[in-house]
This record gives sequence, structure tokens and C-alpha cells, in this order.
Amino acid sequence: QSALTQPRSVSGSPGQSVTISCTGTSSDVGGYNYVTWYQRHPGTAPKFVIYDVNKRPSGVPDRFSGSKSGNTASLTISGLQAEDEAEYFCCSYAGGYTIVFGGGTQLTVL
Amino acid sequence: QVQLQESGPGLVKPSQTLSLTCTVSGDSISSGSYYWSWIRQPAGKGLEWIARISSSGNANYNPSLKSRVTISVDTSKNQISLDLTSVTAADSALYYCARCNLVLPDYWGQGTLVTVSS
Repeated sequence: QSALTQPRSVSGSPGQSVTISCTGTSSDVGGYNYVTWYQRHPGTAPKFVIYDVNKRPSGVPDRFSGSKSGNTASLTISGLQAEDEAEYFCCSYAGGYTIVFGGGTQLTVL
Repeated sequence: QVQLQESGPGLVKPSQTLSLTCTVSGDSISSGSYYWSWIRQPAGKGLEWIARISSSGNANYNPSLKSRVTISVDTSKNQISLDLTSVTAADSALYYCARCNLVLPDYWGQGTLVTVSS
């Protein structure tokens, strides 16, 4: 059981938007503005697509956005494309130099 | 662009010590700008942070694993290492190394699969 709760799966059609939630507690997600989202395709290294809740690394399309409300962080992907089909997982700082992860969400582009 | 590559034995016997190495390219560990972490994921389960270390050797550990884990850094080889003692089947997992910008990982390796079995 992961420390942060994510839906197991979400889906959307090309061009649509999807939002993936990541729910923690006031000791992790809610307590710090340190949430990172990763995209993982099978057999490849995870790639960070959002950091510090809502910042986009260089090279990541602006279709990817992040936000946070209370103890829940969210990743929104707009204008879905086939290449967005992957697993997405969140990570949060939890104090005391420790970090915690979500269980991962499989995104299917229909 | 920074790249990380994990290496180590794919099979370890119960009660033995698991030793893994992460070789970093495209960035110098000795620059001191980042921490470097080990993270694992057992099959069908979530990710678990194991430990992190700075270029100067300052280390932090997951309290649940601290008694069995040692993380170390070799700046001359641009490598980070992990030793996990007294392994059991529960330690079977995909092990990742990752660079940490401030507190959270940014760049990851592809991972190396470790199975604990006799």
C-alpha cells in the first residue's frame, strides 16, 4: 500500500483532458510545495513532467500542468495524444529528509 | 543530459547482502549540487524510497530500512552504491537510482531487477 493515493487507471480520447489525483496528508502533500509527477513507459526510466507542484521542466509540453489543493495534488494533461499513454505517479516530500510515492495511475488513450 | 545506469546481480540468496552500483554520466557527482537516491518497487507494489546521499557522503535513510542499508558515493568513479544486508524475498524488486534536485528525484535510471531466491 502506497503512502499517497492515486486512481489505478484513467482514460480519455485524443484531444480531451484528463486529471490524475494524488492524495496524501498534511505531513506530506499538504505540508510542503514539493510534489513531482513522473511519466513511465514500460521498460524505460521514469521521466519527470512536473516538479514543485506546478513547474514544468524544459522540454515538457505545456499540455502538462500541476496543481495542489489541501492534501491533494493533481496532474492535468490536456489535448491528449497517443504518446501520453503511460503510467503516471506522484512523489512528495514528507519531512525528515524522507519522500513518499503514489501507487501509480495507468493512463489509456482511447 | 544526465544519465544513470544501475548494475548488480540479478539474483541474490536469502540472508546474503545485495550490492548495487549506479554509474552517472552527463553530470559530475562531485559538483555537489544534488543528492543521489536509491528507490525500489516490488512487483505489483508501490515505489519505496530507500536512501539518499550527497557528494560529501551525507546520507539519509528510510527509517524502515535503516538498520540494513548502507549508501555510499565514489566521486572518482562518479558512482553511488547500495548495500542491503540480510535480504529476504520481500527485498525482491526493481531497484532504481535517481538524482535528487533539492529533495525529490528528477532524473532516474531504467532500474535493475533483483530477485532474492535460493
